[in-house]
Amino acid sequence: EDKVVQSPLSLVVHEGDTVTLNCSYEVTNFRSLLWYKQEKKAPTFLFMLTSSGIEKKSGRLSSILDKKELFSILNITATQTGDSAVYLCAAPRAGSYQLTFGKGTKLSVIP
Amino acid sequence: NAGVTQTPKFRVLKTGQSMTLLCAQDMNHEYMYWYRQDPGMGLRLIHYSVGEGTTAKGEVPDGYNVSRLKKQNFLLGLESAAPSQTSVYFCASTEGTVNTEAFFGQGTRLTVV
Repeated sequence: EDKVVQSPLSLVVHEGDTVTLNCSYEVTNFRSLLWYKQEKKAPTFLFMLTSSGIEKKSGRLSSILDKKELFSILNITATQTGDSAVYLCAAPRAGSYQLTFGKGTKLSVIP
Repeated sequence: NAGVTQTPKFRVLKTGQSMTLLCAQDMNHEYMYWYRQDPGMGLRLIHYSVGEGTTAKGEVPDGYNVSRLKKQNFLLGLESAAPSQTSVYFCASTEGTVNTEAFFGQGTRLTVV
């Protein structure tokens, strides 16, 4: 059975800190791994990593994929209170349209 | 451009009542999905559709039905609500398969008492 496991489940940091969120996966016929940010309501897309694109960066956020060790990290530098959210990691199941989501990491950034 | 719109945003049902959640997208996306989100469980797929007139079961389909009569709309029905269906429901759509960016609605918080 496919698995996506995120760690830590929650994290509290001060503004300006750098944080690293982890996502490990066991997915048959891996195609891609996606990161989402969920504030109070709908998840919003951050990154998609595939075999041909193992590193992505957008402003203070960056993500890498390690296909050998089967994990991905999401890095946020110079954190701001607006980064407080639940960060979700997901991977599509083999031969299907179902995304397997991790349980998320709740990040709280305090002033 | 509204994206993905869900109605209603909140609802309280009594056990045994029925209701329909409506999802509408204006991006001409082929694929649409219904998820539920419960504390400690993450997002789980209920049903999905790969095009107008087609639907398929996801990970947790029991107690739900869906219909996709028009490309832009995806309806989720609860025929006889149970307390175990208390959850936050999200609709999403993608242009292609799940490899592409999914756009989510704002969610529907449903409480069954």
